Amino acid sequence: AQSVSQHNHHVILSEAASLELGCNYSYGGTVNLFWYVQYPGQHLQLLLKYFSGDPLVKGIKGFEAEFIKSKFSFNLRKPSVQWSDTAEYFCAVRRDTGRRALTFGSGTRLQVQP
Amino acid sequence: DARVTQTPRHKVTEMGQEVTMRCQPILGHNTVFWYRQTMMQGLELLAYFRNRAPLDDSGMPKDRFSAEMPDATLATLKIQPSEPRDSAVYFCASGLVVGHDTEAFFGQGTRLTVV
Repeated sequence: AQSVSQHNHHVILSEAASLELGCNYSYGGTVNLFWYVQYPGQHLQLLLKYFSGDPLVKGIKGFEAEFIKSKFSFNLRKPSVQWSDTAEYFCAVRRDTGRRALTFGSGTRLQVQP
Repeated sequence: DARVTQTPRHKVTEMGQEVTMRCQPILGHNTVFWYRQTMMQGLELLAYFRNRAPLDDSGMPKDRFSAEMPDATLATLKIQPSEPRDSAVYFCASGLVVGHDTEAFFGQGTRLTVV
């Protein structure tokens, strides 16, 4: 079974700081990769996804992520965070074939201070 | 603006009572997921339907939980009897599997409190 690790549980940044959240997965086959964001009291919303092609994917709100197959990683980045980015961020993995349900990481709580 | 609709948004119930949570997937989507979110366990998959048939419910405690799709526009998750440890936010998500490309769209969740 695949698993997802998000090593940063809580990150505190000042506005305009750069962000990188780590995500590693364990599954030897082909995977689809996702980052979801959950604002306080809200549901999960898709930030970006990777299925194939260019390993650097751009999502909404200035976020991007890079798939590095050799490292089993899919780190999320943003050059300059805003206070409104305060939320919880979830990395998720899904096998390319077979079981299509997402496996989520434990989440990273991002707090951006004005 | 298509969205996944979950009802109720909040539910407080006493231990031992039956709880039914409902989900209306996005019209045309053929896949429905139920996830449970808690502080301790994070997001856990409970059940997964494709074309209304259950494909995976291994994450669901079978003795008290049941999930069904009576029709393509309604998915239900039932807990009977409920226990305090069932307190969590329950999310429904739907998607359209076409080839390999699909993504899951999440509903607002049902926040369940069992006292």
